[in-house]
Amino acid sequence: AQSVTQLGSHVSVSEGALVLLRCNYSSSVPPYLFWYVQYPNQGLQLLLKYTSAATLVKGINGFEAEFKKSETSFHLTKPSAHMSDAAEYFCAVRNQAGTALIFGKGTTLSVSS
Amino acid sequence: EPEVTQTPSHQVTQMGQEVILRCVPISNHLYFYWYRQILGQKVEFLVSFYNNEISEKSEIFDDQFSVERPDGSNFTLKIRSTKLEDSAMYFCASILQESVEQYFGPGTRLTVT
Repeated sequence: AQSVTQLGSHVSVSEGALVLLRCNYSSSVPPYLFWYVQYPNQGLQLLLKYTSAATLVKGINGFEAEFKKSETSFHLTKPSAHMSDAAEYFCAVRNQAGTALIFGKGTTLSVSS
Repeated sequence: EPEVTQTPSHQVTQMGQEVILRCVPISNHLYFYWYRQILGQKVEFLVSFYNNEISEKSEIFDDQFSVERPDGSNFTLKIRSTKLEDSAMYFCASILQESVEQYFGPGTRLTVT
């Protein structure tokens, strides 16, 4: 069965610092992988997706993620954090059996000035 | 930009009551989904719907739940007899085709008292 593990339920960075949010997946077939962001009291917004094209994927708001098959990882990064990046971030893999998404437990990103 | 809408934004109901959550997916999308997020926990898949029938469902989606697309635009989730543990944020999502990312609505917060 497919699964997603997000290491670190809470990550704190200073404004301007590198953001690194970790995601490891389990899948017996080439996966479709996604990062979603959830701001307080809002829905899920897609940041970026990997669909077996380029392994380095660029998304919105300066975020990017690299698919590493050998490490079964899809970590999310941003070179310089901004206060507005404070939110909950979810990594997800598409269900092998269909099109449903399997989400990780999420990582709360805090950004301090 | 087209978006998925959900009503109501917040629903309070008494245990044992029936509740219907409504969603209007993006107009030319073909696959529809319901997910839920219990407070502080990860987003969980409930059910997917395609071509007027359920295409996939999770273990959570038991006989208490049903979905319907009554008029070609709305997509509803009915909980027949609500329980305290049904309290959660319920998200609707849709996609145009299998290879495209899911677009999420803002969610309906269901509180069962």
